[in-house]
Amino acid sequence: KAGVTQTPRYLIKTRGQQVTLSCSPISGHRSVSWYQQTPGQGLQFLFEYFSETQRNKGNFPGRFSGRQFSNSRSEMNVSTLELGDSALYLCASSLGSSWVGLNTEAFFGQGTRLTVV
Amino acid sequence: AQSVTQLGSHVSVSEGALVLLRCNYSSSVPPYLFWYVQYPNQGLQLLLKYTSAATLVKGINGFEAEFKKSETSFHLTKPSAHMSDAAEYFCAVSPPTSYGKLTFGQGTILTVHP
Repeated sequence: KAGVTQTPRYLIKTRGQQVTLSCSPISGHRSVSWYQQTPGQGLQFLFEYFSETQRNKGNFPGRFSGRQFSNSRSEMNVSTLELGDSALYLCASSLGSSWVGLNTEAFFGQGTRLTVV
Repeated sequence: AQSVTQLGSHVSVSEGALVLLRCNYSSSVPPYLFWYVQYPNQGLQLLLKYTSAATLVKGINGFEAEFKKSETSFHLTKPSAHMSDAAEYFCAVSPPTSYGKLTFGQGTILTVHP
């Protein structure tokens, strides 16, 4: 069974540009969540989608946006990149509508390493 | 609101020694608790989780953790460290209804010496 796939694995962008990251969840999973990981701030929650609807959102500026398609694949977009957006971006997928619980868990992808220069 | 504190950003043990990684949490509602491991340039792998069933939770690779409500703790232990356990470990908390949102601690880097 394939795991969570994130593409690309590495990305270098220039300040002011925009970027789109992709996440393909495990087959059958309908929930996808996104996290930003930096040395200074650690792991921070960006947003979560379930059946193409955003159900939860973290405290990030509007430059960070996401969407989910009918096949559960998700993309996140960062516009007007800043140097501080350099980070490892992780997505996680989960099977059920309850996201995590006794019989469900979140599986993480390997991440996309974004470097803004 | 939820928060997680991991005591010790770096822990060093000898191979074969006990591993103890500390995690304290605060939560306004009964939480779910998790331990994840991250190897360099990799994503997060779930070691174990507490979801209000048994308070002593056994996970993969010989790790276990005990939920202690009175101490608001969820410390991770392993009786005998192996070189392959060297990695960064994250404790996380989530209210059952907080879709997608795990609140993570700052992480503890475990070093295992031969």
